Amino acid sequence: DTGVSQDPRHKITKRGQNVTFRCDPISEHNRLYWYRQTLGQGPEFLTYFQNEAQLEKSRLLSDRFSAERPKGSFSTLEIQRTEQGDSAMYLCASSLVRGGRETQYFGPGTRLLVL
Amino acid sequence: AQKITQTQPGMFVQEKEAVTLDCTYDTSDPSYGLFWYKQPSSGEMIFLIYQGSYDQQNATEGRYSLNFQKARKSANLVISASQLGDSAMYFCAMREVPQKVTFGTGTKLQVIP
Repeated sequence: DTGVSQDPRHKITKRGQNVTFRCDPISEHNRLYWYRQTLGQGPEFLTYFQNEAQLEKSRLLSDRFSAERPKGSFSTLEIQRTEQGDSAMYLCASSLVRGGRETQYFGPGTRLLVL
Repeated sequence: AQKITQTQPGMFVQEKEAVTLDCTYDTSDPSYGLFWYKQPSSGEMIFLIYQGSYDQQNATEGRYSLNFQKARKSANLVISASQLGDSAMYFCAMREVPQKVTFGTGTKLQVIP
């Protein structure tokens, strides 16, 4: 499989619980992005990694959100003490810059429902 | 001010015709990148085309081309020879330094047979 994969594809949780999502990027891609998308809206940027370094983080990402990318490979996004407003699709994308041009590929997303 | 503006919430195009989806952006960074994505009703986000702010030529990828007018801060997507499978939401996005990415609200394109 040469695409971006995300796990799980769906998650239902109760308010106040912690959840963790995983993203496996395309192997040679050194850039990794996390986005959140709610119904009828465009994706909102959450955070960005270049290799293992988290270089940018949106103000949307409160203290309850944390992301890691150990060893510059897969990445995890954790949401602590989930709230109903966290219900959304969480998208991961990886990209490669070659010859000054960037191509970005998205995973299928993890749909989170907080009850 | 909106960073990315897509003024067309919905568009119709006849099959085999060309269509232009509008996108304007706002940034003071000299270095930025512009993206277009397609999101069918199935939900996956598909990368279509990329334009760097320093690129002299408009980007093209098959039937997709990006009409980049830097002075006007516009980055319109042109789809030539529309196909029924082109019916989807289309998002314009901008990456600024360091790497924050902002998406527009999208344009829903429907291709009519």
